[in-house]
Amino acid sequence: EDQVTQSPEALRLQEGESSSLNCSYTVSGLRGLFWYRQDPGKGPEFLFTLYSAGEEKEKERLKATLTKKESFLHITAPKPEDSATYLCAVQETSGSRLTFGEGTQLTVNP
Amino acid sequence: GAGVSQSPSNKVTEKGKDVELRCDPISGHTALYWYRQSLGQGLEFLIYFQGNSAPDKSGLPSDRFSAERTGGSVSTLTIQRTQQEDSAVYLCASSLVALDNSPLHFGNGTRLTVT
Repeated sequence: EDQVTQSPEALRLQEGESSSLNCSYTVSGLRGLFWYRQDPGKGPEFLFTLYSAGEEKEKERLKATLTKKESFLHITAPKPEDSATYLCAVQETSGSRLTFGEGTQLTVNP
Repeated sequence: GAGVSQSPSNKVTEKGKDVELRCDPISGHTALYWYRQSLGQGLEFLIYFQGNSAPDKSGLPSDRFSAERTGGSVSTLTIQRTQQEDSAVYLCASSLVALDNSPLHFGNGTRLTVT
């Protein structure tokens, strides 16, 4: 059974203070690893898909990386508008569903 | 263009009543997914459709839950004889095709409260 564990559960940063969120996963064969952002009262918003170990993707202050067992979402010089819950999900090669972690709630204080 | 649309955005119902939740996917997306998100929990998979058929409905919690999709577009999730533990946000998502790695695009959900 696919498993996704995200850490920390919650993270408070000062504006400009860089950090990383972790997503550890267990899957029989990885088709893709997905990162989403979720704001309160909204559905998850797609950020990145990573397909193979060593791959990196960047968008503004966010960079996602992937190894065979985990993915990191690096946030460089965050701003208050980056505050949200960040969700990680995996899709295995034999299926279509995404299996989600419970998310990291990020708060960036001005 | 228009994203995934869900209605109603909020639904309050009495225990034992039936409810129907509606999802309008992005035009041209052939795959449609239903997830449930309880307070402080991760997203729980319920069912997905490729076209009008549901190859994987293994996440439906009980036989009180059912879903259908017509015309390869709109989907409805029906919960019969609602229970308090059914209270959650029900999220719908669509993607271009199932069984590939095209990302899921989510609606803003229906918040269901069973009193």
